Amino acid sequence: QVQLVESGGGVVQPGGSLRLSCAASGFTFYNFGFHWVRQAPGKGLEWVAFILFDGTNKYYADSVKGRFTISRDNSRNTLYLQMSSLRAEDTAVYYCAKEKYFDVLTKFYSPLDSWGQGTLVTVSS
Amino acid sequence: SALTQPASVSGSPGQSITISCTGTNNDVGGYNYVSWYQQHPGKAPKLMIYDVNKRPSGVSNRFSGSKSGNTASLTISGLQAEDEADYYCSSYADSSTLPYVFGTGTKVTVL
Repeated sequence: QVQLVESGGGVVQPGGSLRLSCAASGFTFYNFGFHWVRQAPGKGLEWVAFILFDGTNKYYADSVKGRFTISRDNSRNTLYLQMSSLRAEDTAVYYCAKEKYFDVLTKFYSPLDSWGQGTLVTVSS
Repeated sequence: SALTQPASVSGSPGQSITISCTGTNNDVGGYNYVSWYQQHPGKAPKLMIYDVNKRPSGVSNRFSGSKSGNTASLTISGLQAEDEADYYCSSYADSSTLPYVFGTGTKVTVL
């Protein structure tokens, strides 16, 4: 069955960097786009970034644009989120999520039908 | 900005409850791209409804979705103890700053 496993979270100082990974299995990885969604402690869900199935298009929330980079390695069935210039407000559980379908109208939006268990990123001195 | 949901909704077992999700013409009202997610404490979200009113396979038919104007709704009928969780709506948004928007979240309590 579909499985997404995030890793790479931890404690980092403000201004530091961290790379998250999301290992996928149980489906044809290169056929699907992926999103990163985060959730600050006790707060709601916040969309972070998206990458198209072939990696040619990427979108970011304004709150992370210029600091975070989403990428993928289709040969390794792995999604990444490179985070730099981290701030206290980036503290959250980060989830990777698989799109349910490719939408020809927006070429971006899709319901998220599979999620990883999340990895906690704590930005603190 | 985030879609507006009530902070909490409660009901007794067997009852029906409805959670609203209010947006604008640029998101909920403009597209049939509303989804609903259920999240139990410490767990990842789970897709319950997509494209306003479609149910993924394996999701109980006690869950249903609808939309009118700029407000989408999730109805849970025959409320059960395991339905107690947080629920989030989401929508595509015609926005360059935040094209994928979630709701503020609703805590459902089964009395």
